[in-house]
Amino acid sequence: QAQLVESGGGLVRPGGSLRLSCAASGFTFSDYYMTWIRQAPGKGLEWLSYISHGSSYTKYADSVKDRFTISRDNAKNSLYLQMDSLRAGDTAVYYCVKVGQWPNTFDFWGQGTLVTVSS
Amino acid sequence: QSALTQPASVSGSPGETITISCTGTSSDVGGYQYVSWYQQHPGKAPKLMIYDVTNRPSGVSNRFSGSKSDNTASLTISGLQAEDEADYYCNSYTSSSTPLFGGGTKLTVL
Repeated sequence: QAQLVESGGGLVRPGGSLRLSCAASGFTFSDYYMTWIRQAPGKGLEWLSYISHGSSYTKYADSVKDRFTISRDNAKNSLYLQMDSLRAGDTAVYYCVKVGQWPNTFDFWGQGTLVTVSS
Repeated sequence: QSALTQPASVSGSPGETITISCTGTSSDVGGYQYVSWYQQHPGKAPKLMIYDVTNRPSGVSNRFSGSKSDNTASLTISGLQAEDEADYYCNSYTSSSTPLFGGGTKLTVL
């Protein structure tokens, strides 16, 4: 059974940085695109970023482009999201998600990690 | 890019059939056979219910079905059960090569 475990969330000041990690198990990580999706408190889902199997392709939502960087380490079965220049509006639960079938079959989700941006 | 349009809430009684709509444009819903639907219970991660407009993943009840007509996709739940009470989100691929979610619909089972 697939498992995705996010870590790295917490409280950060506006303008600060945070790096989220996601440990994958139960499937061949290197065979799949991965993505990050977030959900602000009491709000809907927002897709943030894709990364291809071998990291050659990445794509970002306009809201995070040039501030967030997605990466992966297939040897460690891990996905990352480097978040810079954080704003209050970035406060959300961040989900690590497996893309079972490109482009939007998000077939397995982690439990999420909460990022709070506040002074 | 604005979210796809979903009704804020729908409701139905046990055993009934309900439909949740997801309206976009020819640049997203209408332009691709890439619509997926997600169920989210309070405090839980979303769960994939439908992909590629009509396909149901293994393990999802056949009471859930998807369809699309022009720029509007729909999720139909038949034989409504108490456990179906949740938030539902649609998602479509777009001409910007990015996925786009709907605003979400709260389903209440009366």
